[in-house]
Amino acid sequence: EVQLVESGGGLVQPGGSLRLSCAASGFTFSDYWMSWVRQAPGKGLEWVANIKPGGSEKSYVDSVKGRFTISRDNAKNSLYLQMNSLRVDDTAVYYCWRGSAWGGDYWGQGTLVSVSS
Amino acid sequence: DVVMTQSPLSLPVTLGQPASISCRSSQSLVYSDGNTYLNWFQQRPGQSPRRLIYKVSNRDSGVPDRFSGSGSGTDFTLKISRVEAEDVGVYYCMEATHWPPTFGQGTRLEIK
Repeated sequence: EVQLVESGGGLVQPGGSLRLSCAASGFTFSDYWMSWVRQAPGKGLEWVANIKPGGSEKSYVDSVKGRFTISRDNAKNSLYLQMNSLRVDDTAVYYCWRGSAWGGDYWGQGTLVSVSS
Repeated sequence: DVVMTQSPLSLPVTLGQPASISCRSSQSLVYSDGNTYLNWFQQRPGQSPRRLIYKVSNRDSGVPDRFSGSGSGTDFTLKISRVEAEDVGVYYCMEATHWPPTFGQGTRLEIK
């Protein structure tokens, strides 16, 4: 059974940092693109970033470029999102999903990031 | 960025009746490989989103056949042939032909 489990969310002050993790199981992680998508409280969905299976190619939405870094450890079946210079408008539930933008057949349960002073 | 516009934003439906959600894109979603990367997602209350339809009309595994997707170019539709109580939630279209991928605003389906 495919499972994606996010962790690492929490409350952080503006300008702070957080590192999110997504633990994958039930499939060959190293074969798949992986992605992060977010949802602000009570709002719609927004694409954040994705990463190629080998980790060599990464893409970001403009609003997080230069502040967020997506990475992966295929030996640990894990996906990461390093978030720096956090802003209030980064407050959201962050989901990892299997695949590139063309994927999305499996999602995690999400982890809440709250940016507030 | 491509703008995805869904209508209606709120959809009250009687149980057993059909429902239809429209999604229009500001640009054609036909990719250079000939595919159209338009997906539909369902988000039930308190749950993560779940993909229902990919590439316009392909149903994901486990998705009831009362859900169907259609359309082409810039105009797409998700139809539910007979609404059941478990269909309550918010439905999103999403285009993945262009960068960055973008979602519609969501359509909230409720039971009348």
